[in-house]
Amino acid sequence: AQTVTQSQPEMSVQEAETVTLSCTYDTSESDYYLFWYKQPPSRQMILVIRQEAYKQQNATENRFSVNFQKAAKSFSLKISDSQLGDAAMYFCAYRSHYLSPKETSGSRLTFGEGTQLTVNP
Amino acid sequence: GAGVSQTPSNKVTEKGKYVELRCDPISGHTALYWYRQSLGQGPEFLIYFQGTGAADDSGLPNDRFFAVRPEGSVSTLKIQRTERGDSAVYLCASSQGRIPYEQYFGPGTRLTVT
Repeated sequence: AQTVTQSQPEMSVQEAETVTLSCTYDTSESDYYLFWYKQPPSRQMILVIRQEAYKQQNATENRFSVNFQKAAKSFSLKISDSQLGDAAMYFCAYRSHYLSPKETSGSRLTFGEGTQLTVNP
Repeated sequence: GAGVSQTPSNKVTEKGKYVELRCDPISGHTALYWYRQSLGQGPEFLIYFQGTGAADDSGLPNDRFFAVRPEGSVSTLKIQRTERGDSAVYLCASSQGRIPYEQYFGPGTRLTVT
């Protein structure tokens, strides 16, 4: 079974500064997807960024970028020019690419424990 | 179009009672997922539907939990004989199909068992 670990329960950053959230995972699979989700107090999970394991290039989405180290099984999120609206709980998640004969596995997301990000004005 | 909706937003029930939580996925999405998020934790997978059938129910914690999706659209998560430990936010997500399509989440139902 896959596991996802976020070792930083809380992080804070000054507005306009850069912050990095850490995530490590454990898997024996070679093909998979990694995600960062944002969950504001409204509870709605919002996809921030996605990385395919077979791609060596790190994914970027505007102010959000990742540092994907496949050998180290590390997947950190960097938020540049932090804004007040970035304050939220951030979850790292894993999704297998493998499909079982019934094509049932490989669809679920496995989440880490989350990191609460505070942005200070 | 509309996103994933869940009703009720909040539900308070007494220990031992039966509850139903509803999820309306995005129109046309064939895959539907239920997750449970306990306080201070990340969501945990419960069950996955592809169409009308439960393709993977291995995350359901015990036989008090059951979910249906009779017409391949709306899904209902049913919990019998609720216990205080069932208190959590229940999240629903839908996607266009199997991997690698993105899962879109609803706002969740906060269940409190007193």
